[in-house]
This record gives sequence, structure tokens and C-alpha cells, in this order.
Amino acid sequence: QKEVEQNSGPLSVPEGAIASLNCTYSDRGSQSFFWYRQYSGKSPELIMFIYSNGDKEDGRFTAQLNKASQYVSLLIRDSQPSDSATYLCAVNVGGATNKLIFGTGTLLAVQP
Amino acid sequence: AAGVIQSPRHLIKEKRETATLKCYPIPRHDTVYWYQQGPGQDPQFLISFYEKMQSDKGSIPDRFSAQQFSDYHSELNMSSLELGDSALYFCASSPALGSYNEQFFGPGTRLTVL
Repeated sequence: QKEVEQNSGPLSVPEGAIASLNCTYSDRGSQSFFWYRQYSGKSPELIMFIYSNGDKEDGRFTAQLNKASQYVSLLIRDSQPSDSATYLCAVNVGGATNKLIFGTGTLLAVQP
Repeated sequence: AAGVIQSPRHLIKEKRETATLKCYPIPRHDTVYWYQQGPGQDPQFLISFYEKMQSDKGSIPDRFSAQQFSDYHSELNMSSLELGDSALYFCASSPALGSYNEQFFGPGTRLTVL
């Protein structure tokens, strides 16, 4: 079992709709959680990070964390075609290492 | 705002050759991470440095080595290149070592081994 799991998609949503991206992780000691957007052939771009249970909002993006369920999600409101990309969930397990462990990413396609 | 700089952006090498990738972190960031992303794969952690010392090591082959210099830039040295080393190599920087610090990625170096 991979340490960070995401549905590979593609997740297809119409323009203006809410896109919901989900991620589960296996290490209960994980401390912080990141969402990156990656266009094909480009570098990951940080969208949101969260480390406390609950919701965190930034513009059209809301990250949600539930440590008891080992679940983190990203909501994108008013989805735009330019949001079409792969969304990578990354987990920092903390401790002596601060490496990020990535999921395989969810491909989001926003249909005009 | 200044971002992470990586050079070169593209590199083509033959098998068994060597390659050196460079990374210049965001100013005042003292922590550097290297990741490798193969085609269709997620980024895999290779190695990290904090204040010029290696802070962690991941799935980095013995053929690879890296260091961080006094100006905080980092170099990844890859020897005896193999076809399987073809990938995107990303450097990320962080303002400090710690779980609650964001990692900002550079544009990457695309290495092709022929």
C-alpha cells in the first residue's frame, strides 16, 4: 500500500462547478499536508498547505484535514479550464526527516 | 518574488557519462531538497540539506552525490549515468528545516540519457 493515496482520475467537472480532490495517508504521525498543482512537464506549484484539523480557505481553494480519518481534501470552487492539471497531495511525516511523500496525483479536467 | 533557480533546464547525456545539476534556492532559504520524477510518476525524494549539512537521504543511488555550498546553492552530481536516470529533477527550497515549512519547487532539469 502506498503511503499517500489519491484517485488518479481523470476527474472531469464543468466550468464553474466545484472540484473535490481527495487524499488519504497511512502514517498517523504525519504533521503537515500540501497540495501542489502540476501542469504537464512543469514543476509542482504550491497551492495550499494545512496542518491543523478543519478547513483552511485561500481564494477559490479550501483544504480540509481530518487527522482521525487520515484524510485530506482540496476543494476548488468556480473551476476554470486553466485549473486543468494534475493535483499532487504531499505529506510531511515530520521527525528527523522533512521530506515530502507524494501521492500519484489526480488529473483534473475542467470542461468549458 | 524570487523563485528557485535550476540549471541547466535540459541536459542530454550518453550512458556512463556524468552530469551536474545546480540549484539556487530562494534568498534566505537555508534548506534544499532534491526530488526525481520519472515519466508518469510522482516526485521521489533523493536528498536534503540544511545549513550546508546533509539532513536526510532517500532513494538516491550510490552513483549520485550532492552538497550544499556556503552560499546555500546545491549541486547534484550524477555519475555512470544509466537509461533509467532519465527524469525530471526538481530542487525545492524551504525557509527552515521543519514540518511546518512550505517547500517551493524550481522549474526542474530534464535529464535525458541516451
